[in-house]
Amino acid sequence: GQNIDQPTEMTATEGAIVQINCTYQTSGFNGLFWYQQHAGEAPTFLSYNVLDGLEEKGRFSSFLSRSKVYSYLLLKELQMKDSASYLCAVRDGDYKLSFGAGTTVTVRA
Amino acid sequence: IAGITQAPTSQILAAGRRMTLRCTQDMRHNAMYWYRQDLGLGLRLIHYSNTAGTTGKGEVPDGYSVSRANTDDFPLTLASAVPSQTSVYFCASSDGQGGGNEQFFGPGTRLTVL
Repeated sequence: GQNIDQPTEMTATEGAIVQINCTYQTSGFNGLFWYQQHAGEAPTFLSYNVLDGLEEKGRFSSFLSRSKVYSYLLLKELQMKDSASYLCAVRDGDYKLSFGAGTTVTVRA
Repeated sequence: IAGITQAPTSQILAAGRRMTLRCTQDMRHNAMYWYRQDLGLGLRLIHYSNTAGTTGKGEVPDGYSVSRANTDDFPLTLASAVPSQTSVYFCASSDGQGGGNEQFFGPGTRLTVL
């Protein structure tokens, strides 16, 4: 099976920056995704990386290093609405997604 | 319909009963998926379908079956429910399997098996 590791919880202050790390072990690699999931809701797509480097989308950025089998999601200028669970998911050689357990981010005023 | 819908929203079921969770998408996506989400375990793939008429097993397929008679619908059936199948079930779809094709998720079905 696949192994996706990310921290369970993180807390940060409104306006701050938080970095969520993700390491993975998969059979083959066809891209890494980050999803956001608010409590009681469905996951929604945030970002996709398949090549090494940084992808920036507004306040959110995602980084990938395939050689280090590592990614991070960077959340800048945190807002209260960013309180959610963030899921790291890796697409394997069979094009199936494996998800980490998620990192719950709590933003405090 | 806009996007992907699931029914029912929630259900309490007696052990041993048969149950079908419904999933419909109107985006004409080729691929569809069923996941279960349990606390501390994340989303786990149950079954998938890359295109109408084909299905495949995911990470945790035992006790579940699926069918894909057309592009839009992808029902998940529990033939004889057991308490360990208590979970939140998400259906998802994607335009294709590769590239930047992200999966779009339905709102989920919360199932409790007693």
